[in-house]
Amino acid sequence: QMQLQESGPGLVKPSETLSLICTVSGGSISTSYWSWIRQPPGKGLEWIGHISYSGYTDYNPSLKSRVTISVDTSKKQFSLKMTSVTAEDTAVYYCARAIRGVNPSRNLYYYHMDVWGKGTTFTVS
Amino acid sequence: QSVLTQPPSVSAAPGQKVTISCSGSNIGDNYISWYQQLPGTAPKLLIYENTRRPSGIPDRFSGSRSGTSATLGITGLQTGDEADYYCVTWDNSLSTGVLGGGTRLTVL
Repeated sequence: QMQLQESGPGLVKPSETLSLICTVSGGSISTSYWSWIRQPPGKGLEWIGHISYSGYTDYNPSLKSRVTISVDTSKKQFSLKMTSVTAEDTAVYYCARAIRGVNPSRNLYYYHMDVWGKGTTFTVS
Repeated sequence: QSVLTQPPSVSAAPGQKVTISCSGSNIGDNYISWYQQLPGTAPKLLIYENTRRPSGIPDRFSGSRSGTSATLGITGLQTGDEADYYCVTWDNSLSTGVLGGGTRLTVL
């Protein structure tokens, strides 16, 4: 059974860079897409971005200028870097596997996230 | 800022049925998925491709879509269903995930 585990420093100072890693176990990283989602305290979920096993990325337009997602298939890890963090970036950060499909009636891609990590709390202070 | 609109909260008694709506222009173009987030835990996939349930999700949970709205239905409510529920879709024009603001379900 596939499991995802987030890791990284829990605290950084304003203007510094957030760096998180998600380690995949119990399955292959060389398929699917790999996502980052966050949840500020007491608020809803926010999609950050995802990466394919081959390195293709999509990002939330509101975060795109500060975010980089990369993948290391040899280590079965993918990572999130977010620059110039502020208190508004304080959140629980989740990694997840995203399955991509094609909507046959409209020939459009769609994704759903079927395996999630437990999340890691990241504080800017 | 959420682009899909969900009611902030819904409630119903144990054993009853509840529906949670999700509306937005993106819904008409693509599939919806639904996620359940129990207190203090990570979200869990409940419904994908508008109506399909992953293995292990009971048939008390159902999904439907009509036009630019989608609905999550839960029958035979249990206290263990108390959670936040989120709808999610994909915006192909912007190549980004689109989420609802979440609905808190209270089982009275």
